[in-house]
This record gives sequence, C-alpha cells and structure tokens, in this order.
Amino acid sequence: QKEVEQDPGPLSVPEGAIVSLNCTYSNSAFQYFMWYRQYSRKGPELLMYTYSSGNKEDGRFTAQVDKSSKYISLFIRDSQPSDSATYLCAMSKGVTGGGNKLTFGTGTQLKVEL
Amino acid sequence: EPEVTQTPSHQVTQMGQEVILRCVPISNHLYFYWYRQILGQKVEFLVSFYNNEISEKSEIFDDQFSVERPDGSNFTLKIRSTKLEDSAMYFCASSVPQGISTDTQYFGPGTRLTVL
Repeated sequence: QKEVEQDPGPLSVPEGAIVSLNCTYSNSAFQYFMWYRQYSRKGPELLMYTYSSGNKEDGRFTAQVDKSSKYISLFIRDSQPSDSATYLCAMSKGVTGGGNKLTFGTGTQLKVEL
Repeated sequence: EPEVTQTPSHQVTQMGQEVILRCVPISNHLYFYWYRQILGQKVEFLVSFYNNEISEKSEIFDDQFSVERPDGSNFTLKIRSTKLEDSAMYFCASSVPQGISTDTQYFGPGTRLTVL
C-alpha cells in the first residue's frame, strides 16, 4: 500500500463550481498536512497547512483533516480558470522543529473551464 | 516577497558527467532540502540539511549525490556521475520553524536535468 494516495484526475469543472480534492494515507505518524499547487513545469506553491484533525479556511480554500480515517481534503469554492493546476497533498511526521521530510501524493490535475 | 531561486533552469549533460545544481534559499531560513520529480511521477524527498550537516536523506540519495552550503547564501546539489535515470526536475526548498515541531517548506522553480 502506498504511503499517500491521490486520485490523479484529470478533474474538469465549470467556473464557479466547488472542487473537492482528496488524499488518503496509511502512516498514522503523519501529523502535519499540506496542500501545494503546481503549475506546469513550475515548483510547488504552498496553499495550506494544517496540524492534526480539523478544518482550516483561507479565502476560497478550506483544508480538512480526519486522522481517524486517514483522509484529508481541500475544497475550493467559486473555482476560477486560474485555479487550473495540479494540486499536491503532502504530509510530514513533524518530529523536529525543522528538516521534516515531506511525503507527497501524485497530484490531482484540475481544469476549471469557462 | 522573498523566494527560493534555482539555477540553471535547464541543464543537459552526458551520462557519466558531473553536474552541480544551485539554489539560493530564502535568506532567514535555516533548513534546506532537495526533492526531485521524474516526469509524470510524484515529488520525492532526497535530502534535508541544517547547520552544515545532512539531517536526513532518502534511499535515492546514494554516494553519487552530495550537498553543500559553500557560502552564506548558496545551497548546491552535486551528482558525481550522472545516469539516464537521474533525468528529472530537481527542486530546492527552504524552511523556518513554525512552532516546536513543524516547518513550512517553500519551493524554488526547479532545475530540469536531462541526461543523454
């Protein structure tokens, strides 16, 4: 079983739709959960990070973590064509104050159509 | 806004040659990382570096790889004798601690390495 699983998509939605992106993981030691956005041939850009279970909201983005189910989600409200990108989930064990290895999912390719 | 920069953006090399990929992390960051992404695959951790020492390395980071912080601003990844399978996008990242047990990593734009 892969440590982090993510549906690769592609996911195509109309402008204005609510988008739900998900990852599951197998390692219960993961405590910190991140979502990165990656445009084609660019570096990952940090969108959200959360600790343990719960929700976090930032503008049109909401991140949810359910540690009991080993399931994390990113919701995008009022999606825009500029949101078209690959979304990567990443997680770490957070053992120390720094130098924590991130384990990534494969990424979900999202296209928001006009 | 401060950002991580990487040079070159694209490097083409012959198999067996040495390459050095360069990164300038964000200036007040303390931890530095290299990740790679083979085309169509996930981003994979290679190595983390703190206080002039390797903190952690993956199985990928074998004796052919080395990292160095030669001065106060640059962070380099050297591949001694490149193989075809080293062809990938290499990302540098840097971070600063956020509380006791986590850090937020910021990535550079990457260097595309092509080994012929």
